[in-house]
Amino acid sequence: DAGVTQSPTHLIKTRGQQVTLRCSPKSGHDTVSWYQQALGQGPQFIFQYYEEEERQRGNFPDRFSGHQFPNYSSELNVNALLLGDSALYLCASSKYSYGYTFGSGTRLTVV
Amino acid sequence: SQQGEEDPQALSIQEGENATMNCSYKTSINNLQWYRQNSGRGLVHLILIRSNEREKHSGRLRVTLDTSKKSSSLLITASRAADTASYFCATDRGGSYIPTFGRGTSLIVHP
Repeated sequence: DAGVTQSPTHLIKTRGQQVTLRCSPKSGHDTVSWYQQALGQGPQFIFQYYEEEERQRGNFPDRFSGHQFPNYSSELNVNALLLGDSALYLCASSKYSYGYTFGSGTRLTVV
Repeated sequence: SQQGEEDPQALSIQEGENATMNCSYKTSINNLQWYRQNSGRGLVHLILIRSNEREKHSGRLRVTLDTSKKSSSLLITASRAADTASYFCATDRGGSYIPTFGRGTSLIVHP
């Protein structure tokens, strides 16, 4: 039984560019949450998707947007990248609000 | 924003010793969870304790929760070099049930 799958594993982008990160949830899970983890910090909640709608959002600017597809997979998009967006981006899936399972993350470096 | 704060920030012990990490939080919670993270990769769920529980065990792990003091502790007994990792507490509150993380404790277990 596959857990949460994130792609790509690593990514290098230039300031001002746009990036899309992908997440496939664990089998049986219907909710996807995204977190940003800066070096040496704890994960910060970006937003959560359920039934293809953004259900909750953390304190992140509109440059951060997302999408959930009918198969429950999700994308995180970040526009107009800043150096400060360099971080590990973690996806977590759950069955509604229970049983959060995290993926291995995407390491984004903005240069 | 950080809801939980772990203490100490860093802990260095010898193999076979016990490791104790603490987490304090600010507002009433539904649940408190502990996660482990190896080398900046994905988070692994260790244990969940509900607000009406006081203690839980899982293998070499023991978690306590004191809601009057708004604090929790994670005890790892007979530590191993493989326990070297960062440990995070995460709380959820109100109707959200979305885990909010602290900054973590970095544990190093020397063989």
